[in-house]
Amino acid sequence: DAGVIQSPRHEVTEMGQEVTLRCKPISGHNSLFWYRQTMMRGLELLIYFNNNVPIDDSGMPEDRFSAKMPNASFSTLKIQPSEPRDSAVYFCASSFETSGRRGTGELFFGEGSRLTVL
Amino acid sequence: LAKTTQPISMDSYEGQEVNITCSHNNIATNDYITWYQQFPSQGPRFIIQGYKTKVTNEVASLFIPADRKSSTLSLPRVSLSDTAVYYCLVGDRIKAAGNKLTFGGGTRVLVKP
Repeated sequence: DAGVIQSPRHEVTEMGQEVTLRCKPISGHNSLFWYRQTMMRGLELLIYFNNNVPIDDSGMPEDRFSAKMPNASFSTLKIQPSEPRDSAVYFCASSFETSGRRGTGELFFGEGSRLTVL
Repeated sequence: LAKTTQPISMDSYEGQEVNITCSHNNIATNDYITWYQQFPSQGPRFIIQGYKTKVTNEVASLFIPADRKSSTLSLPRVSLSDTAVYYCLVGDRIKAAGNKLTFGGGTRVLVKP
C-alpha cells in the first residue's frame, strides 16, 4: 500500500488566498484525521471523520477552516481566507476503527503539507 | 481527558538504552497508552500501545505500573537513526466521547555517536 498520500507537500501563498489541502487515506481505513503542527502548539487534532462522516470538528480553529470527505478515498481541508498564523504543517492520518477494539489503535500519518502564508 | 507530561529532551549515546517516562495522573479506566515517533519532515509513526504491565515488540518495550499514572517507553541499544521526537498519547477508542487524540509536547531524543 502507498500509505496516506497528501498534496501539495509545500504551498506558499499570500494572505487572503484560498488554500486547499488534499488527502488520500489508506484503502480500507474508515477513519480519517486532520492535524496541524506548529512549534508553539505541537500537534493539534482539527477534525476527524468516521465512515466519511465528521465526528468531531471541535478542533477546527474558526470558520475559515472547513473539511470534507466526499468519499472513502478522498478528503480536503480548506482555509479561506488564509492568514499568516495559519502557517504550519498539516498532517492527514487514517486508521481502521472497529467497535470491539479498545484503545486508540494505530494512526497512519501522511508526510504532511507545509503551508506558508505570507 | 488525560493530560500527559514528558521531558522536553533527552540525550543518549549509540548502544545505550533510552527510557522515556510519561506522566498521566488522570488516566481513565478505558484509556490506553500509545507511543509515536516522529522524524523531521515526516508524520508521526506508531511504536507501541499498552494498557497495563509490560508490552514488547521488535522496536521497543512499554512499562506501565499498576496505578497506570505513568508509563515508560524503553528503546534498547539506540542508534543514530533513533534520533527523533517521541510522543505519549493516552485515550480510549477513537470514537469515544471527548477523545481528542491530542499529542503532548513530545520528548526530543538526540542519540550521539
